[in-house]
Amino acid sequence: QVQLVESGGGLVKPGGSLRLSCEASGFTFSDYYMSWIRQAPGKGLEWISYISSSGSTINYADSVKGRFTISRDNAKNSLYLQMNSLRGEDTAVYYCARDYFASGSYSRFDPWGQGTLVTVSS
Amino acid sequence: QSVVTQPPSASGTPGQRVTISCSGSSPNIGSNYVYWYQQVPGTAPKLLIYRSDQRPSGVPDRFSGSKSGTSASLAISGVRSEDEADYYCAVWDDSLSGPVFGGGTKLTVL
Repeated sequence: QVQLVESGGGLVKPGGSLRLSCEASGFTFSDYYMSWIRQAPGKGLEWISYISSSGSTINYADSVKGRFTISRDNAKNSLYLQMNSLRGEDTAVYYCARDYFASGSYSRFDPWGQGTLVTVSS
Repeated sequence: QSVVTQPPSASGTPGQRVTISCSGSSPNIGSNYVYWYQQVPGTAPKLLIYRSDQRPSGVPDRFSGSKSGTSASLAISGVRSEDEADYYCAVWDDSLSGPVFGGGTKLTVL
């Protein structure tokens, strides 16, 4: 079955860095865009980045532009999010999700991983 | 503050019809399909409705979506206790060049 499993979350100090990973299985990973979406504690969902199937097209939300970098390794069926210059407001559960952007469904995320918690605190 | 607005809460008794609204503007709902997600507390969101009114396989037909102008709605006919969850609308925004989520609506089944 289609599955996404995130890892790499944890506690980091303000200004620090963290790299999240998302391992995909059960579908042809290289055929799909992928997105990262986050949810601060007790808050709503916020899309933060997507990457095209080949990695050639990338987009970021303004809130993370210049600090976060999305990437993928299709040979390893893996998606990554490098997070630098972390701030308290980046504290959230980070989800990876298969993105149907290429098929014209620009906000269709299905499925989602279970999420990984990133806590930015001194 | 999201560019698409949902009521923070909704409620209904078992068997009732409940609707949740999602209000936007021309660059988002007015120009693009709307998607709905269900998030049961402690779990990841799940796609409920795509392309404004389409149900993925496995989603019960008591869930339906609609869109008119710059607003969209999710309807749950015959609400059940297991439908108690947070519901989010999502839509592409042409001005922001990215997807945006509504603030979410917490559905309570009384």
